[in-house]
Amino acid sequence: ETGVTQTPRHLVMGMTNKKSLKCEQHLGHNAMYWYKQSAKKPLELMFVYSLEERVENNSVPSRFSPECPNSSHLFLHLHTLQPEDSALYLCASSQDVPSGGAGETQYFGPGTRLLVL
Amino acid sequence: TQLLEQSPQFLSIQEGENLTVYCNSSSVFSSLQWYRQEPGEGPVLLVTVVTGGEVKKLKRLTFQFGDARKDSSLHITAAQPGDTGLYLCAGASGGSYIPTFGRGTSLIVHP
Repeated sequence: ETGVTQTPRHLVMGMTNKKSLKCEQHLGHNAMYWYKQSAKKPLELMFVYSLEERVENNSVPSRFSPECPNSSHLFLHLHTLQPEDSALYLCASSQDVPSGGAGETQYFGPGTRLLVL
Repeated sequence: TQLLEQSPQFLSIQEGENLTVYCNSSSVFSSLQWYRQEPGEGPVLLVTVVTGGEVKKLKRLTFQFGDARKDSSLHITAAQPGDTGLYLCAGASGGSYIPTFGRGTSLIVHP
């Protein structure tokens, strides 16, 4: 138990569906992240939020839309996805966005396993 | 883009054996982290190294950061089935200090 929860744990959706992934952290952290983990590829950073403001967006297609209503909650809204978007989507949090040195310890949730048909 | 190469990609060994996995890059990192990810879970941080040549020990795990801060290794002594998992390295450097991850080494330790 890392203090970061994600729901749902598994999701199957068609290409025309709209769904949302939810992440909640109980650690009092200020920074939250979305990552995509695909087979045979490195963990890819998608979005970073610091105190509810988006600070990084790594050229993610617009069919992925993040939302951070407060520092404890992070959503990833999905619409018109493609089969290649099937992956494990991981949420993480850290005390703050790293600014150098040893950086910040990131705490990951268990992920949502997404399958797009 | 910083590229972290991890080797080997897969490793299957018997309980009690020793092993070393590697993380290499052409980039210099201000810090490097090792994570272990078990099936159905997210990665969990094992260690962060920041000084070139630094060696850290965590029970049977020994982590080393290269002198030039471009590479790192993880050595496990007397591996146990509980060590099974995906070992990820992640490096951070100037600009954005958010770590970039390697593809990982998938380790299976058989009883």
